[in-house]
Amino acid sequence: KAGVTQTPRYLIKTRGQQVTLSCSPISGHRSVSWYQQTPGQGLQFLFEYFSETQRNKGNFPGRFSGRQFSNSRSEMNVSTLELGDSALYLCASSLERGGFTGELFFGEGSRLTVL
Amino acid sequence: AQRVTQPEKLLSVFKGAPVELKCNYSYSGSPELFWYVQYSRQRLQLLLRHISRESIKGFTADLNKGETSFHLKKPFAQEEDSAMYYCALYKAAGNKLTFGGGTRVLVKP
Repeated sequence: KAGVTQTPRYLIKTRGQQVTLSCSPISGHRSVSWYQQTPGQGLQFLFEYFSETQRNKGNFPGRFSGRQFSNSRSEMNVSTLELGDSALYLCASSLERGGFTGELFFGEGSRLTVL
Repeated sequence: AQRVTQPEKLLSVFKGAPVELKCNYSYSGSPELFWYVQYSRQRLQLLLRHISRESIKGFTADLNKGETSFHLKKPFAQEEDSAMYYCALYKAAGNKLTFGGGTRVLVKP
């Protein structure tokens, strides 16, 4: 079974631009979460989607948005990029059958550098 | 607000020595806690969860509600245990995990 796939793996943008990151969850997983990882702040929760609905959102500005499609694939978008948005963005999926087990399956991440 | 604290950023031990990674949490409800691990050049993955009270790769973790701690222990560290370890607290309604800052474990031969 293929793991969580994130694209692109690396990208460089300049301030003010916008970026879209994509995540394909493990087949059958309907929950997709996004996390931002930085050396200073560690792993921070961005948002989580289930069946195309955002169920939870972290403390990030409105420039950070996401969506989920009917096939459970998810995208996140960051508009008006700032230098501080440089980070590794991790996507994780989980199988919810009878409740959440606590096991998130992570992708390798998309490393964004903002110049 | 929920918070997870891992006070040690780096733990360096010799092979065969015991290792203990500290994790403290603050949460008003009934906590569900997990340990995740990231080996070099691998993805972040679940190591163990407190609710199953299991031992994985020789690691155990006990939830102490009185001390609000969930420390990870292994009696005899191996070189393959060298990795980054994250303690995480689960909040219902949206699969949100709050992660600690992580502890890097280095097991020397």
